[in-house]
Amino acid sequence: DTGVSQDPRHKITKRGQNVTFRCDPISEHNRLYWYRQTLGQGPEFLTYFQNEAQLEKSRLLSDRFSAERPKGSFSTLEIQRTEQGDSAMYLCASSSRDREAGEQFFGPGTRLTVL
Amino acid sequence: LAKTTQPISMDSYEGQEVNITCSHNNIATNDYITWYQQFPSQGPRFIIQGYKTKVTNEVASLFIPADRKSSTLSLPRVSLSDTAVYYCLVATDTGRRALTFGSGTRLQVQP
Repeated sequence: DTGVSQDPRHKITKRGQNVTFRCDPISEHNRLYWYRQTLGQGPEFLTYFQNEAQLEKSRLLSDRFSAERPKGSFSTLEIQRTEQGDSAMYLCASSSRDREAGEQFFGPGTRLTVL
Repeated sequence: LAKTTQPISMDSYEGQEVNITCSHNNIATNDYITWYQQFPSQGPRFIIQGYKTKVTNEVASLFIPADRKSSTLSLPRVSLSDTAVYYCLVATDTGRRALTFGSGTRLQVQP
């Protein structure tokens, strides 16, 4: 399977704990995006990378959130001191270089539940 | 980014054609119209994209009038597996920038 993969698919944690999610984009894609989706809503943009550079961050990305993409391949999203309001589906997407009007390919998401 | 308005939900039966209309009165000259489909517990999936007139692929058709202030996603002969949320997006650089999703249209297909 050459699609976008995310790990883990589900994560249950207690409030105050740190969690880290991983995203492996489609191999030739240089752009990688993180979104968050709560029940009944569409995905909301968090941040995106072009290669290893983090080019844009949403105001939704509080100081407790950090994302990295070392070497421009996989990416990690860490949430420190989780809160119940962080419970959501975290989606990763990637897109190929130099495509202006095109599609983003989404992974299956990581569902986070904070107790 | 152009704001979009689409119905919150729609119901249909298997074998029927479903048309979902999206309004985007403030669409800009360089904006494309893009539709994504999302099944429960999965990430969104690109369906179709267009700029003007009509676009058709193996999944759907997209009709865009000359003024581009609205668009209609047409799903021919839906099946139960087409039950999903459908999002209409209007933006430039959809392959290179963050996407802005609304709440989408929840399509329920009945047998």
